[in-house]
Amino acid sequence: DAGVTQSPTHLIKTRGQHVTLRCSPISGHKSVSWYQQVLGQGPQFIFQYYEKEERGRGNFPDRFSARQFPNYSSELNVNALLLGDSALYLCASSSATGPTEAFFGQGTRLTVV
Amino acid sequence: GQNIDQPTEMTATEGAIVQINCTYQTSGFNGLFWYQQHAGEAPTFLSYNVLDGLEEKGRFSSFLSRSKGYSYLLLKELQMKDSASYLCAPKKAGTALIFGKGTTLSVSS
Repeated sequence: DAGVTQSPTHLIKTRGQHVTLRCSPISGHKSVSWYQQVLGQGPQFIFQYYEKEERGRGNFPDRFSARQFPNYSSELNVNALLLGDSALYLCASSSATGPTEAFFGQGTRLTVV
Repeated sequence: GQNIDQPTEMTATEGAIVQINCTYQTSGFNGLFWYQQHAGEAPTFLSYNVLDGLEEKGRFSSFLSRSKGYSYLLLKELQMKDSASYLCAPKKAGTALIFGKGTTLSVSS
């Protein structure tokens, strides 16, 4: 079985540009969460989606948005990129929103120059 | 909101035992997860505690005290491959995992 897959693995963008990151959850998992991780810190929660509806949002500006598709895959969009958006973006999938184990993808390394 | 506190760094030697503490203040607490993350890799699940007490899983054990808002991860017979970050994540009902800043453990020979 495939695990959580994210694309692309690495990305370089310039300030002011827009980026779209993609995530495919484990088959059968309906919940997808997005995290931002800067070096030396734990993952910071950005969004959670379950059954195509937003179930939670972290403390991130409106430049960050996401959506979940009928097949439960998800996109994270970031507009007007800033240098500080450079980070590892992780996607996690789980079978529900309850206390179930979350499985992480390998992440997308975004560098903003 | 949540307040999660764990030490930033710890060091230990091969074969030793290390305890990584985590204190938290979480409304609607529904259990606590520990994840391991090697440098440049995704976090991987280690343990989940919902009831008070110690859960043992091989060389790793995790303890929870709900009344004290306290958990620890105990690693025995340390190996070099245990060098990683250890992330504490108290779970709030119906929400995604919220992680602490993590504890970076360095194991030396």
